[in-house]
Amino acid sequence: DVKVTQSSRYLVKRTGEKVFLECVQDMDHENMFWYRQDPGLGLRLIYFSYDVKMKEKGDIPEGYSVSREKKERFSLILESASTNQTSMYLCASSTPGAGVSNQPQHFGDGTRLSIL
Amino acid sequence: DAKTTQPTSMDCAEGRAANLPCNHSTISGNEYVYWYRQIHSQGPQYIIHGLKNNETNEMASLIITEDRKSSTLILPHATLRDTAVYYCIVRVANSGYALNFGKGTSLLVTP
Repeated sequence: DVKVTQSSRYLVKRTGEKVFLECVQDMDHENMFWYRQDPGLGLRLIYFSYDVKMKEKGDIPEGYSVSREKKERFSLILESASTNQTSMYLCASSTPGAGVSNQPQHFGDGTRLSIL
Repeated sequence: DAKTTQPTSMDCAEGRAANLPCNHSTISGNEYVYWYRQIHSQGPQYIIHGLKNNETNEMASLIITEDRKSSTLILPHATLRDTAVYYCIVRVANSGYALNFGKGTSLLVTP
């Protein structure tokens, strides 16, 4: 079974702090993703990566950056945390497959981040 | 990606089959149908996907109508642990990587 592990289930940080969210997958997947999920807004893509050191902006990249130094690890960084970044953060991974996006994404259990 | 329509909520008795419908009348020929579910306070879980043919795996079966305008996810013997929000998504291959979850169907499995 695919295992996507997020480093923390719950995290509380203060406004202005630099926050790191870590994600590790054990299936040698090329693609990795960071989403945030908010009530009424559904899932929104922040960034994704299709290879080591490669990254692409998603729909809401402002205030975030990412790092992918190793294939299995994808980090999300909040450069200067703000209260509007309080959310559930979800990491996912997938293999490209024959069609670029017809392979399913497998998700971690999420990190519920609160910025005070 | 094609729009999908799902009922807001459904109930199912434990041990019975849960049949979750999804309408996707604007689906195009190269769009896949995916099902995910999300149990409260957990990340979404992939269940199954298909293009034209019916599919079955250890979790569920996916029945796609011949005209592909609707599909049904079948959980053959629902358990209390199947209580979750179920999302039907249709996606064009090579359309980009973001998954767009709609509101889904909230399935309640009762004893």
